[in-house]
Amino acid sequence: KQEVTQIPAALSVPEGENLVLNCSFTDSAIYNLQWFRQDPGKGLTSLLLIQSSQREQTSGRLNASLDKSSGRSTLYIAASQPGDSATYLCAVSDRGSTLGRLYFGRGTQLTVWP
Amino acid sequence: SQTIHQWPATLVQPVGSPLSLECTVEGTSNPNLYWYRQAAGRGLQLLFYSVGIGQISSEVPQNLSASRPQDRQFILSSKKLLLSDSGFYLCACGQGAKAFFGQGTRLTVV
Repeated sequence: KQEVTQIPAALSVPEGENLVLNCSFTDSAIYNLQWFRQDPGKGLTSLLLIQSSQREQTSGRLNASLDKSSGRSTLYIAASQPGDSATYLCAVSDRGSTLGRLYFGRGTQLTVWP
Repeated sequence: SQTIHQWPATLVQPVGSPLSLECTVEGTSNPNLYWYRQAAGRGLQLLFYSVGIGQISSEVPQNLSASRPQDRQFILSSKKLLLSDSGFYLCACGQGAKAFFGQGTRLTVV
């Protein structure tokens, strides 16, 4: 059974720092990996989707990389801002062009203080 | 793009009472639909998913059930709630390989 682990569980940094959030998964037979953001008491917002054939995806200050063979992904946040404070979740899918089951990590709770 | 509506946003129910949570999707057709639960201190757990009307797959044994009476409507139900059913319930929609989530329902069973 696929297991997804996220490290660290929590992170507190001053504004302006560059951050790396880590995600690892046990079964490398994934089709894609997604990073989500969750604000307290809210639903999930999709940030980046990396297909298994891709190495990375970028959106603004966010960059996600995928090393499928080693079962790892990182989310890099450049020049962090207080508005980035949220829980970040990664999830891997067991299906390709159509969304299958998503296996989630427990998330990294990020606090960026001014 | 699609929009996912969930209601209610919060719900407090006594043990043994019934439950009905509704999720509707706009902006897409024939989506894959999902119910997830997020319990305090735990990750997201997939409860049910559906690839079409009347087609429901259950991921974990429990006293919850799901139904999909229409293409863009997904309902989570229980005949008798347990304390352990408390949590944050999220409906999700798959568009291609990407997942989109509703804003969730906070259920507290007392």
